[in-house]
Amino acid sequence: QVQLVQSGAEVKEPGASVKVSCKASGYTFSSHSLHWVRQAPGQRLEWMGWINVDNTNTKYSKNFQDRVTFTRDTSATTAYMELSSLRFEDTAVYYCAREGGYGSGSYYWGYWGQGTLVTVSS
Amino acid sequence: QSALTQPASVSGSPGQSITISCTGTSGDVGTYNLVSWYQQHPGKAPKLMIYEGSKRPSGFSNRFSGSKSGNTASLTISGLQAEDEADYYCCSYAGSGTWVFGGGTKLTVL
Repeated sequence: QVQLVQSGAEVKEPGASVKVSCKASGYTFSSHSLHWVRQAPGQRLEWMGWINVDNTNTKYSKNFQDRVTFTRDTSATTAYMELSSLRFEDTAVYYCAREGGYGSGSYYWGYWGQGTLVTVSS
Repeated sequence: QSALTQPASVSGSPGQSITISCTGTSGDVGTYNLVSWYQQHPGKAPKLMIYEGSKRPSGFSNRFSGSKSGNTASLTISGLQAEDEADYYCCSYAGSGTWVFGGGTKLTVL
């Protein structure tokens, strides 16, 4: 079965960077794009962007495009999200999500990681 | 890009039906029939409930249905059950490879 397993919680100081991993299994890794979504405490879901795992093309939300980088390691079937210049307001749970899952469409996310809490604190 | 507009909260009694609206613009909901709905219980990852406006994942409860009219999408839950109490988020494709979420709606089953 499809699984997305994310790395553990992180605590970082303001100005630092954090790199969250998302290990995929149960499907052909290069066949589906992976998206990243974050949720600050008590707040709504916020789309951050996606990576085409096959060709490494990326698309970033304007809200993050200057500070976020998506990469992947196909041999490890793992995707990564790195967020730099961390601010207190970046404290959130970060999720990876795989496109599609039902039928032929891909404009939705049928599979999600368990989430990674990133806390920015001095 | 502004978030889609959802009511902050809705409530209903067991067995009743409720509808959650999701209002966007002609740049997202109005143009693309690509709205998805996610259920999120506290401390859990979101779970897909409806995709491409009105399609239900195979094996999922048929008490959940989706629709769209103009710039507004809707999620209807019929025969409310206690386990339906959760936060619900709509999300729409917004063109140029971007997506936008709604603000979320807290459903309370009375």
